[in-house]
Parts: sequence; structure tokens; C-alpha cells
Amino acid sequence: GAGVSQSPSNKVTEKGKDVELRCDPISGHTALYWYRQSLGQGLEFLIYFQGNSAPDKSGLPSDRFSAERTGGSVSTLTIQRTQQEDSAVYLCASSLASGTGELFFGEGSRLTVL
Amino acid sequence: GIQVEQSPPDLILQEGANSTLRCNFSDSVNNLQWFHQNPWGQLINLFYIPSGTKQNGRLSATTVATERYSLLYISSSQTTDSGVYFCAVIGNQFYFGTGTSLTVIP
Repeated sequence: GAGVSQSPSNKVTEKGKDVELRCDPISGHTALYWYRQSLGQGLEFLIYFQGNSAPDKSGLPSDRFSAERTGGSVSTLTIQRTQQEDSAVYLCASSLASGTGELFFGEGSRLTVL
Repeated sequence: GIQVEQSPPDLILQEGANSTLRCNFSDSVNNLQWFHQNPWGQLINLFYIPSGTKQNGRLSATTVATERYSLLYISSSQTTDSGVYFCAVIGNQFYFGTGTSLTVIP
């Protein structure tokens, strides 16, 4: 696509429920990144993919968080048994290849856990 | 990973004033980007600048890779410049600074 597309743009869920966030990168971009931004804070790295593999999962805050990417394109970030501290904006970005080329961000998915 | 420090953390300007934002990084990098996060949270690419100087309207940026810093210049600031400015450096992945929060007062 023309830009990085994320869905849903807003998600309100109850504590304990599972949520899935989706990211569709720019066509031709092989690297895909997930970041989290809590209110008033900076960008917290979660995970990145080069193709379908995830060389660096070090930023995932707990085992409730997982991500996958299939077909070298769309990625899904899954949060199981959501907690209130998971409330944040989840941002996806893509670039031509890992550590190469300009990084472009989507508009984010705002998650609110009640 | 690479450490990225931005200064100042906060900046308040009168409309029309000029400012300089700084980004220091701890190791050799392949490239560097500046972003503006507007009050609605959208991250906008400003400059992709491995070295040298680039200009885009009232904004310009200079990166001195050998000395591990980059500067973002904003001239004749406008209220629409308000938001957070992030620097990101590119090693084997992207490393972000904690940002400079800019408020431009009419």
C-alpha cells in the first residue's frame, strides 16, 4: 500500500481479554517494527521482523505479548489476558530492510484496557 | 544497543523565534532520521540524513557522523511546529531518543 496501515485505530477492552493489532507495511518493505508509546512517554521498542523472522524479540514486556508475520507482509501483535498497564498507543513502522532505509510509521492503534 | 540523547527535553518558544535541537549518539550509525510527532500523535518524517546538511522550508538539519551528533534547526517557529521531535539512529535496528517537547506560543 501507499503507507503503513494499522487496525483497529482504537480498541477498548476489558481486563483479561485478548486483543489483536494488525499492521500492513508499505509494499516492498521487508522490515517491520512494533513500538509502544504510553501517554506522554517516548517510543518503547517491542519487536522487529526481517521478512517473516524476528531476530530481536527483546522488547516484548512479558510472555503475554507475541507477534507474527506471515508472507513477509502483514503482521499481528497479540496481547493475551490484557492488563491496565497495557493501555498505550501501539505503533508499527516499516523500512526497506532491517536497519536500512527510511522508517515510516503508521497512525497507531490506541488500546485502552478497562 | 546504541544510546541516543536529545536536548533540551522541553522547549517553549514565542512564535517567530528560532531554535536548535540536538541529538547525540553513542556509536557509529548507518543513518539518522528526525521525526515530528504532532499533538494528534502522528509521526511525520522530517529528515533522513546520514551526514551533511539538508533543508526543507523553515527546517534544516545537520549531521556530523564522525562526531556523533545531529542538529535540527527550526526558524521563524509557528504554532503548528508544536509537538515532540524525535531523533532515531540506525545501527542494526532503529534506536530512538526520548524526544524534545516543543511548545510554540502565539
